[in-house]
Amino acid sequence: KQEVTQIPAALSVPEGENLVLNCSFTDSAIYNLQWFRQDPGKGLTSLLLIQSSQREQTSGRLNASLDKSSGRSTLYIAASQPGDSATYLCAVADFTGTASKLTFGTGTRLQVTL
Amino acid sequence: KAGVTQTPRYLIKTRGQQVTLSCSPISGHRSVSWYQQTPGQGLQFLFEYFSETQRNKGNFPGRFSGRQFSNSRSEMNVSTLELGDSALYLCASSWSGAPNTEAFFGQGTRLTVV
Repeated sequence: KQEVTQIPAALSVPEGENLVLNCSFTDSAIYNLQWFRQDPGKGLTSLLLIQSSQREQTSGRLNASLDKSSGRSTLYIAASQPGDSATYLCAVADFTGTASKLTFGTGTRLQVTL
Repeated sequence: KAGVTQTPRYLIKTRGQQVTLSCSPISGHRSVSWYQQTPGQGLQFLFEYFSETQRNKGNFPGRFSGRQFSNSRSEMNVSTLELGDSALYLCASSWSGAPNTEAFFGQGTRLTVV
């Protein structure tokens, strides 16, 4: 059974700092990994999707890497801003039968202070 | 392009009642998945529908059911509500549900059972 862990559970940084969020998964037989952002009480916003054949993806100040063999992914946020404050979730796509489902980590709650 | 739309946004129900939640996927998307999010269990997969057929089901009791219509809209039903069913219910749509496609989430329906 796939298990996804995110470290740290919570993080508080001053504005402008670069930071790294970590995600690890137990079964390396994944098809892709997605990073999401969730604001309190809201849905999930997709940030980056990394296919299993890729090593990294970039979008603006965000960069995500994937090391499938070691079961790890990192999300790098450059020059953090107060608007980046949210919970960040990683999820892996397992192929079960004829469909896919996402297995989520427990998230990292990020607070960026002025 | 409209995103994933979930209705209603908030619901308060009494134990023993039943509830129906609705999800309209992004236009052209044929796969709809449902997830339950609680503080204790995080995000857990409920089921996935593709072309009106349930392709995958998570580990939830039979009180949780769903269906998908020919226009890809999906409904989720929970019968005989329990206090523990209080959660944020999220639906996600993707073009095909194939493992390498990106999932897009709605804003969720907050269900409170009293």
